[in-house]
Amino acid sequence: DAGVIQSPRHEVTEMGQEVTLRCKPISGHNSLFWYRQTMMRGLELLIYFNNNVPIDDSGMPEDRFSAKMPNASFSTLKIQPSEPRDSAVYFCASSPRQGNEQFFGPGTRLTVL
Amino acid sequence: AQKVTQAQTEISVVEKEDVTLDCVYETRDTTYYLFWYKQPPSGELVFLIRRNSFDEQNEISGRYSWNFQKSTSSFNFTITASQVVDSAVYFCALSWYNNNDMRFGAGTRLTVKP
Repeated sequence: DAGVIQSPRHEVTEMGQEVTLRCKPISGHNSLFWYRQTMMRGLELLIYFNNNVPIDDSGMPEDRFSAKMPNASFSTLKIQPSEPRDSAVYFCASSPRQGNEQFFGPGTRLTVL
Repeated sequence: AQKVTQAQTEISVVEKEDVTLDCVYETRDTTYYLFWYKQPPSGELVFLIRRNSFDEQNEISGRYSWNFQKSTSSFNFTITASQVVDSAVYFCALSWYNNNDMRFGAGTRLTVKP
């Protein structure tokens, strides 16, 4: 069975550019999560969806960040405009239901120059 | 406060030694879930175990074992006869009933030397 799929795996962009990260959750999972991992702040939950509906976006750092889940099999995290401090590894995870373990994708390593 | 503390930032052992990774949590809730994840050098996060607050039974899976003690709010992880492939960052995490928010500890970097 395919796990969580993220693309791209690596992204290098220049400050001010728009960045879109993509995620395909495990089929049948109804919760999807976006995390950011940095050395300074560790793993931070940015936003999560239940049944394609955003439930908690309190972790989204600022208005430059937005996330969508148009259907059960696809989500995007967009940063516009990007800044060097956004450089991090962004993980997407999915879970079959609340309280269950989350399964993580391989991550997208974002570098903003 | 709802948080997870992994006081050990880094641990280094020699192959075949036993090692215990500590995890202490804080929560106001009576129903909650505890997890351990492994992040090897390749970067992915691998789920290891989930335990709910009503189940204090210890668990053993091969060389891995977990000790859950509600009295001390701890969920410690022991690797017996460590191997080089166990080298990774290990994260303890906490989530709550009817809430998908998951709080991760800062992680413990384990290095197993040959």
